[in-house]
Order: sequence, then structure tokens, then C-alpha cells
Amino acid sequence: DVKVTQSSRYLVKRTGEKVFLECVQDMDHENMFWYRQDPGLGLRLIYFSYDVKMKEKGDIPEGYSVSREKKERFSLILESASTNQTSMYLCASRSLNTEAFFGQGTRLTVV
Amino acid sequence: GEDVEQSLFLSVREGDSSVINCTYTDSSSTYLYWYKQEPGAGLQLLTYIFSNMDMKQDQRLTVLLNKKDKHLSLRIADTQTGDSAIYFCAEREGSQGNLIFGKGTKLSVKP
Repeated sequence: DVKVTQSSRYLVKRTGEKVFLECVQDMDHENMFWYRQDPGLGLRLIYFSYDVKMKEKGDIPEGYSVSREKKERFSLILESASTNQTSMYLCASRSLNTEAFFGQGTRLTVV
Repeated sequence: GEDVEQSLFLSVREGDSSVINCTYTDSSSTYLYWYKQEPGAGLQLLTYIFSNMDMKQDQRLTVLLNKKDKHLSLRIADTQTGDSAIYFCAEREGSQGNLIFGKGTKLSVKP
């Protein structure tokens, strides 16, 4: 079974902190994605990556950056967390001809 | 840009059929997906349909695709309380192959 693992289920951080959300997949997928999910807004794409060291902005990249140093790992970085970044963050991966597989989500609260 | 629309809520009685509808805009979509999200969890692929098909059946699930109207539906027969979840419609857009999600339909099943 494909496994996409997000490092934390729940996180509470203070405003202004630097926050790292980690995602690891074990199926050698080329593509990895970070979404945030908010009530009434569905899933919105923050960043995605097609390959190691490659990254592309999604629909809402402001306030975020990403890192893909290894194929299996895709990190989302909040440089200076703000309360409007309180959300559920979902990581996904896929190869060219498969569906997307999702992690279990990280619920981040910024206080 | 590309858009996927679905109603936000659906309520049915246990044993009835549920029909969740979705419309999309990208006529070059190759695959269309239905994902299920249970409370506090990530998204899990339920089923998908290739764009050259008009129907797919998988046990209690029936997917209908009307490509001319860009309309996709998911029918769940004999709906059970365990089917209560948020259901996301997604299209695989033609240019980069990213998934575009609807906002999700929250299905509530009353006993």
C-alpha cells in the first residue's frame, strides 16, 4: 500500500514562529503537493513539486515556501506563522499515471 | 481558471440512495475522481472514471459522466451511517495534470 506520512497530526504554534510541516511518501512518486483545507473553501493548492529540487506555486503560495531535497520528502515552511494560517494541511503524492494519495493531515493552530 | 462545483450539503435516510453531483469546466480533463474524507482524516480515493467512459459501477457506487454537459455524479446505493463524510469531486486538468478539487459535499445519513 502507498503510504503518505505527515509528521504531525496536531500542532500549536505562536504567531511569528517558523513552522515546518514534513511529508514523506514511500512509493517513489515524482509529484508531491501541499494543500490547505478550510471550511467552505475546500482544498486549495499551496505548492507542488514535479521532481527533486523543483517547485511550482499553486493558487495560494503567499506566506509559504517549500523544500524538496529528496524525492520522498516534501516540506512546507511557514516563515513567520500568522493566525490566518490556522488550517488543516494535507500533503499528497502521485506518479504520472496514478491518482493522488493523501496523508492524514496536520491540523495547525497559530495562536 | 479551471473550476469544480458541487453542492455543500446532502442529507439522506439510512437505506436510501444518495446522489452527489459535480460540474467541472476543463473539457480536456482525462480523469475525474471521487474522494471521501472522514472526520479528522485525509482524503481517500473512492473511485475514478476515465473521460472516455460514461458510467462506472463498483459495488454500491455508480459514477455517471456526461462529458457534453461536464457533469459528474456519484450514486451510493443503500446508504449507511458509515457513509457519512465529505465527498470531493476532482478533475485532472489537462495542461499540468494537477487535481482541481470541488469544495466538498458533506453527506449526513440519518438512521
